[in-house]
Amino acid sequence: DAGVTQSPTHLIKTRGQQVTLRCSPKSGHDTVSWYQQALGQGPQFIFQYYEEEERQRGNFPDRFSGHQFPNYSSELNVNALLLGDSALYLCASSLALAGGSAHEQYFGPGTRLTVT
Amino acid sequence: KQEVTQIPAALSVPEGENLVLNCSFTDSAIYNLQWFRQDPGKGLTSLLLIQSSQREQTSGRLNASLDKSSGRSTLYIAASQPGDSATYLCAVSNRGSTLGRLYFGRGTQLTVWP
Repeated sequence: DAGVTQSPTHLIKTRGQQVTLRCSPKSGHDTVSWYQQALGQGPQFIFQYYEEEERQRGNFPDRFSGHQFPNYSSELNVNALLLGDSALYLCASSLALAGGSAHEQYFGPGTRLTVT
Repeated sequence: KQEVTQIPAALSVPEGENLVLNCSFTDSAIYNLQWFRQDPGKGLTSLLLIQSSQREQTSGRLNASLDKSSGRSTLYIAASQPGDSATYLCAVSNRGSTLGRLYFGRGTQLTVWP
């Protein structure tokens, strides 16, 4: 059973460029969330997708956008990159059902984005 | 707004010691609490999940307790080993409109030396 996968592993971009990160959830999961983790910090919630719609959003500007596909995979897009966007981007998947294991989050290995 | 604090920020101990990592949160209306492990530059590995109705969970040498009313959780690591060296993160999910969103602490960086 494949866990959460993310691509690419590492990415180097120039300030002002755009980037797309990809995530495939754990088999059977229907909800995908994205987090940004700066060095030495805990992950910060960007947004969550369920049923192909953005359901929740953290305190991130509109330069951050996303998409969820019918197979539950997801993309995170960041436009007009800033130096401060350099971070580890983590994708988490979960199952949005009532019950004991509902909303237990499983994380992927992350994408390390460096903006120069 | 939920705020999560972890103490200590860093811990360095010799192999074999029993450890206690602390996590506190400001809003007691939580749905669940998760403890994660993160190796340098890597993703998060879920260690334990405690539902709001539970008081503790155990997995091998790990035991996590939850006192929702006081806004505290403790991760206990028995007989620590060098392989336990990593950053340990505590995260809570609130009930209500933000259900499913995790609020993280900054982590406790653990070093276990032989």
